Amino acid sequence: HLVESGGGLVQPGGSVRLSCAASGFTFSNDDMHWVRQVRGKGLEWVAVVAANGYIHYGDFAKGRFTVSREDDKNAFVLQMNSLTVDDTAVYFCARGVGRTSLFDPWGQGAPVTVSS
Amino acid sequence: EIVMTQSPATLSVSPGGRATLSCRASQTVDISLVWYQQKPGQAPRVLIHAASTRATGIPARFSGRGSGTEFTLTINSLQSEDSAVYFCQQYKSWPTFGQGTKVQI
Repeated sequence: HLVESGGGLVQPGGSVRLSCAASGFTFSNDDMHWVRQVRGKGLEWVAVVAANGYIHYGDFAKGRFTVSREDDKNAFVLQMNSLTVDDTAVYFCARGVGRTSLFDPWGQGAPVTVSS
Repeated sequence: EIVMTQSPATLSVSPGGRATLSCRASQTVDISLVWYQQKPGQAPRVLIHAASTRATGIPARFSGRGSGTEFTLTINSLQSEDSAVYFCQQYKSWPTFGQGTKVQI
């Protein structure tokens, strides 16, 4: 399964780093994604870091968020900068099944609150 | 971006009854459609993928159908444990989600 760490309370304009560690499987051959959920709202795809190193972001994340892989640690990272209150959400990491964007499994979620 | 629209927003059903949830895509996604179930405080879990294939361990009372732009999730013999929010998501292109249907038993 997947376990996120990091997150918490951050001021507007600040930064936060989320990490997602895998256990029970080695994801070096998998595409890994971040998805976020605003409290009580729907789900929004954030970014992918593919097994081949390809990276792509949702429009709202471009220029502010950075994803990276740490295959030696079986983990991957979401670095978020220039945060606004609209970035307040629970951030999930998830594996893309068979190089698709079908997400399974998901991590338990890491809450990020952007507030002064 | 492919826009996914779910209806209804909320569905109240009696125990033992049937729930029918709809999901519409703004353009064809073929059968690249997944249904997730999410309970409070939990991550989504896969119920149905490829529009109609049940995930491992999902009871047969959950069924999905459709292709192209129109999809349906049906839950028969509803149980209290089925109370949750159900999301559809397309994975034909960059992933997008419906806004969810809350099922209340």
